Amino acid sequence: RKEVEQDPGPFNVPEGATVAFNCTYSNSASQSFFWYRQDCRKEPKLLMSVYSSGNEDGRFTAQLNRASQYISLLIRDSKLSDSATYLCVVPPTSGTYKYIFGTGTRLKVLA
Amino acid sequence: DAGITQSPRHKVTETGTPVTLRCHQTENHRYMYWYRQDPGHGLRLIHYSYGVKDTDKGEVSDGYSVSRSKTEDFLLTLESATSSQTSVYFCAISERGGRNEQFFGPGTRLTVL
Repeated sequence: RKEVEQDPGPFNVPEGATVAFNCTYSNSASQSFFWYRQDCRKEPKLLMSVYSSGNEDGRFTAQLNRASQYISLLIRDSKLSDSATYLCVVPPTSGTYKYIFGTGTRLKVLA
Repeated sequence: DAGITQSPRHKVTETGTPVTLRCHQTENHRYMYWYRQDPGHGLRLIHYSYGVKDTDKGEVSDGYSVSRSKTEDFLLTLESATSSQTSVYFCAISERGGRNEQFFGPGTRLTVL
């Protein structure tokens, strides 16, 4: 099993739709997670941190399911500007320095 | 935005030449990282640093070396560039590693002919 797995997409959704992505992880010791957004040919930018059961920021909600070892990102009322690749990231566990990156899920919001 | 710059932003070079990429931060963060990003592979760690003169290898370190002589600068050197090192290189910083978020520089697009 890969350390972090994401559906590459693309997810094509109309403006105003609600869309959700999942990210599964293999290390049950992982305690926190990040979602990053990456626009084409740009650097990843932090979208949300997930430290416990979940986090909400405006139209974005992240949920953590420890029993099934996945995190999800829900985007409500999608905007054209939400079109990007969303990366799931698992930070290092104790004694390591390695952040584990998913390969990303591509979202296209259509007018 | 975190104060991270990378130079050069774009570079075209020839096989066999040495290349040095620079990452500069103004955040005084302890941890710095070099990644490469290629289609289908996501971000892969090349080297990282956990303090001045303290560095270690990542998962794709062959053909690369790093140096960190001061907190704000982390240099990545391709000792003898090959076409397989054509990629986008991102530098990242983190305040304390571990649970802390990483912040990324704008990237360097390197082409090796």
